[in-house]
Amino acid sequence: DQQVKQNSPSLSVQEGRISILNCDYTNSMFDYFLWYKKYPAEGPTFLISISSIKDKNEDGRFTVFLNKSAKHLSLHIVPSQPGDSAVYFCAASLREYGNKLVFGAGTILRVKS
Amino acid sequence: DVKVTQSSRYLVKRTGEKVFLECVQDMDHENMFWYRQDPGLGLRLIYFSYDVKMKEKGDIPEGYSVSREKKERFSLILESASTNQTSMYLCASSSPGQGITGANVLTFGAGSRLTVL
Repeated sequence: DQQVKQNSPSLSVQEGRISILNCDYTNSMFDYFLWYKKYPAEGPTFLISISSIKDKNEDGRFTVFLNKSAKHLSLHIVPSQPGDSAVYFCAASLREYGNKLVFGAGTILRVKS
Repeated sequence: DVKVTQSSRYLVKRTGEKVFLECVQDMDHENMFWYRQDPGLGLRLIYFSYDVKMKEKGDIPEGYSVSREKKERFSLILESASTNQTSMYLCASSSPGQGITGANVLTFGAGSRLTVL
């Protein structure tokens, strides 16, 4: 039973436009949500996180929105750049589970120049 | 500037062989993790450790074991490799304080791609 779901396997966006990556979760008790980016042949790198008590967190071109009632979060990248082309993983953690991260299946983002 | 090092980037092994995947971190982190990444399944937790000599099963521990004899080193062992263990293996570490004051941000190694024939 996947607790964190990324239902779009891939997304293609034109350079300069907005990329929106979506993530749904089932456990309403998750404390934190994180986004990781992964290039081929490299390990995932941390991008941005959001606490469950917030509804938005922004870091430069990256903004994460959290809708707790819908159990949905999204990552917005504006403007998208070709170097953003990678696999993006959504993850969630719960303090009483030892803060282990539960990951989604990932979304491949392609930014076309 | 490498913080989590996985000694083998690519391995090819035969069914039934014993496989060791080594991971070393230089950030003095207490927590270490082993994940495997498969297309369409994301990252799944195999084993983790919060301290030396300590280990806990993750979501998919079957067919694997681990060893944490030193704080900086966390080894994943496949006692008898099988073809369904062909995968990308990712080691990660984190500081326990991060989970108290904020998100538990894991730092990952570059991965070890294992092929079992």
